[in-house]
This record gives sequence, structure tokens and C-alpha cells, in this order.
Amino acid sequence: AQTVTQSQPEMSVQEAETVTLSCTYDTSESDYYLFWYKQPPSRQMILVIRQEAYKQQNATENRFSVNFQKAAKSFSLKISDSQLGDAAMYFCAYRRHMNYGGSQGNLIFGKGTKLSVKP
Amino acid sequence: DVKVTQSSRYLVKRTGEKVFLECVQDMDHENMFWYRQDPGLGLRLIYFSYDVKMKEKGDIPEGYSVSREKKERFSLILESASTNQTSMYLCASRRGRQGNYEQYFGPGTRLTVT
Repeated sequence: AQTVTQSQPEMSVQEAETVTLSCTYDTSESDYYLFWYKQPPSRQMILVIRQEAYKQQNATENRFSVNFQKAAKSFSLKISDSQLGDAAMYFCAYRRHMNYGGSQGNLIFGKGTKLSVKP
Repeated sequence: DVKVTQSSRYLVKRTGEKVFLECVQDMDHENMFWYRQDPGLGLRLIYFSYDVKMKEKGDIPEGYSVSREKKERFSLILESASTNQTSMYLCASRRGRQGNYEQYFGPGTRLTVT
């Protein structure tokens, strides 16, 4: 079974600085999808960024980028120029590729990292 | 914009009560999910449904059941609420079974069982 580990329960960053959130996962499959979701306090969870395992190029969305190391099974999220609105719980998630069948591609979540942004 | 709505933001129920949590999505998504979120445990899947009247157990289905009579609506039922079911419940929906489609979440229902 696949597992997702976020080793940093809490992180803190100064406004305008850069922070990296760690995520590692365990799988024997070669095709899969990886996601970072953000859950602001008392607000809905939203997708930050996604990565297909077959793509070597790291995904980027504005100030958010990932460092995807397939061999190391690592998928870290870098937030550049941190803003107060970035304060949230961040969840890393894994989803199996359809080629492996099974449970319709359910997301497997890590336990989350709480990010605080200091003004 | 996709919208996933949940019937209540906060709910307080007594032990032994039957509890219904409702979720509605407006984008004709095939897949719908119910998660439970607890501090330090992340999100755990309770049940999911990939079509009307279809359901599959997730990781922690005990004490819960679900109903999906219409494509847009997915209900979570606590047959006899217990204090260990006090938690945040999140509903989500997603289109298709293939690809890296985004999963959209509702605002959550914070359930307290006393």
C-alpha cells in the first residue's frame, strides 16, 4: 500500500522569504500523480499544484514550485516570496494511475504541515 | 467554478442519534468522497462513490454508511452517533476516473457528539 509522509508538523517563514515543505512517499508503482493541497483556517481546501510522475520537469504555479525527485520518492513544495495569505495547513497527496486499477484513484494524504507566516 | 456545498458548518448531536451529513456538487462529477479530518491524522477516507447508487468503503467505514441516489448528492449517515465520531467531515468531488483531475472540497462540517 502507498503511504505519504510529511515530516514537518509545523513550519514558520518570514513574509517575503522562501520556505520548503517536505513530502516523501512510498510506492512500487512507476506511474502516479502527486498533489499539494492548501487548507486556510476555516476555509475550503484548494489545489496548489500537481505533478505527473512521468513528467521529469518540475511543476510551477506562480510562486509555488515543486522539487520532484522520483528515485528518492520525494515531492517538496517551495513557496517563494511568502505572503500572509499563504498561512495554512498544507497536505501532500498521492494518487495511483488508472493503469493499476484498484480504488478509482483515491487520494492518499499525508498528515499535513501547518505553515505560519510572520509579518 | 465548481462548487461543493455541505448542509451544515457546525452540528451538535447527542450520543445514539442518527446523523445525516449532506453534500451537493454542481459540476456533474462522477466521483464523490467523504473524509474525516482529525488533528495529527490528516484526512482519512470513509466512503466514496463513482456513480449513482454505487459506493465503496474507504479506510475507516465502521460506524458510517452512505447514500447516493442522485449524481449531485452524496450523503454520509452516522447510524448511532458516538463521541469518537466527533470530528471535521469533508466532502469532495472529482470528474472522471483517469488523469490528474483536481479534487474539489466542500467547506466541511464540524460535528460534535455529546
